[in-house]
Amino acid sequence: DSGVTQTPKHLITATGQRVTLRCSPRSGDLSVYWYQQSLDQGLQFLIQYYNGEERAKGNILERFSAQQFPDLHSELNLSSLELGDSALYFCASSARRGTANTGELFFGEGSRLTVL
Amino acid sequence: GNSVTQMEGPVTLSEEAFLTINCTYTATGYPSLFWYVQYPGEGLQLLLKATKADDKGSNKGFEATYRKETTSFHLEKGSVQVSDSAVYFCALNTEFSKTSGSRLTFGEGTQLTVNP
Repeated sequence: DSGVTQTPKHLITATGQRVTLRCSPRSGDLSVYWYQQSLDQGLQFLIQYYNGEERAKGNILERFSAQQFPDLHSELNLSSLELGDSALYFCASSARRGTANTGELFFGEGSRLTVL
Repeated sequence: GNSVTQMEGPVTLSEEAFLTINCTYTATGYPSLFWYVQYPGEGLQLLLKATKADDKGSNKGFEATYRKETTSFHLEKGSVQVSDSAVYFCALNTEFSKTSGSRLTFGEGTQLTVNP
């Protein structure tokens, strides 16, 4: 158990809809990362937040947005969904307060989104 | 930019066979290198890592040596088991911050199936 919790585990929705994926990082971790895993593109980095602020941005579409709240949990919002957005979305965390970081990321089990 | 290239899969072996999964990288600076494993239905877990040239990471019988001259980090195991069946990802980071951490760049993943 990595200590990272993601909800929901599975989500089925229709094109054009909007969904929100939620992530609770490992206790004490300040950084949250979102990755998209699809069959044809592997693991793609979307975005990183550190202590509530956006730290790095990857291949995140304009239809997608994220935020990190004061309690450090994060949400990834996906809107105007298309068939191609069907994928496994992973959240990871790192940067435990008060400890030296080693570069390792701790991953949740993912949220599987199916767009019909 | 940074990139990781893994050998194409899938790889199918018999139990007790020798395993090699090739990984090469392109990066500026001095990256840390990682192997992550994803078991069916689970998130990614760190398998091993190396932070500088000639370091050898090892865990659960798996080994990988950081070769700067060949920009490689090949994963090996002398005798695989059925329970090693999973997807293996090579990854690197170069923008590491000791406070906020940093994202990992992943290879495409290699599916390993070990038959009894």
